[in-house]
Amino acid sequence: QVQLVQSGAEVKKPGASVKISCKASGYTLTNFAIQWVRQAPGQGLEWMGWINLVTNKRKYSEKFQGRVTITTDTSANGVDMELTNLRSEDTAVYFCAREVLELDAGGHYEGLGMDVWGQGTTLTVSS
Amino acid sequence: SYELTQPPSVSVSPGQTARITCSGDALPKKYADWYQQKSGQAPVLVIYEDTKRPSEIPERFSGSSSGTTATLTIDGAQVDDEADYYCYSTDITENHEVFGGGTRLTVL
Repeated sequence: QVQLVQSGAEVKKPGASVKISCKASGYTLTNFAIQWVRQAPGQGLEWMGWINLVTNKRKYSEKFQGRVTITTDTSANGVDMELTNLRSEDTAVYFCAREVLELDAGGHYEGLGMDVWGQGTTLTVSS
Repeated sequence: SYELTQPPSVSVSPGQTARITCSGDALPKKYADWYQQKSGQAPVLVIYEDTKRPSEIPERFSGSSSGTTATLTIDGAQVDDEADYYCYSTDITENHEVFGGGTRLTVL
């Protein structure tokens, strides 16, 4: 069964950092991308960044530049997302999602949609 | 920054056709994906690359795109289709991936 399993809920103080893990089971991560998306309480989905596991290229939303880092954990068949300098506005549910990659005629990797999602990790930032 | 614009809400009666739009300047050249999210659950991919449907998604879901607008259509909407729907795409430089603001679909 193909699934992504995320680490458990976190409670952090403002200014702290958090690392959320996303581990794949039922398949090997290498030929996909992993996206990170968050959802604040009562709000919509917000794209944070992704990593192309074929090229190891990363892309981050400008909103989180300098605060977010996505890394691979090859031994655990997983990907981690670290968010630093936390503030109350970072309180949200954080999701990882797998995106199938297809190489087009121009040698460019195209995403084919986020087809498998983790269960979500709740982060609460409060003093 | 790049934005995708969706109507906040759409309401239909069971069996009617629901159409949810997503507007963005780059959509003539960039694909849109659509996600369904029910309360308290992770999103589910229902349409990718404007028109393609994952095998597990019912045939009543379809997608189209024309000019700067992508559209998700649900033919014969069911009560079970009540959810928030989000479009997703990127700007022309591929530097800004973004979700639309979401549309709450009510079927009653």
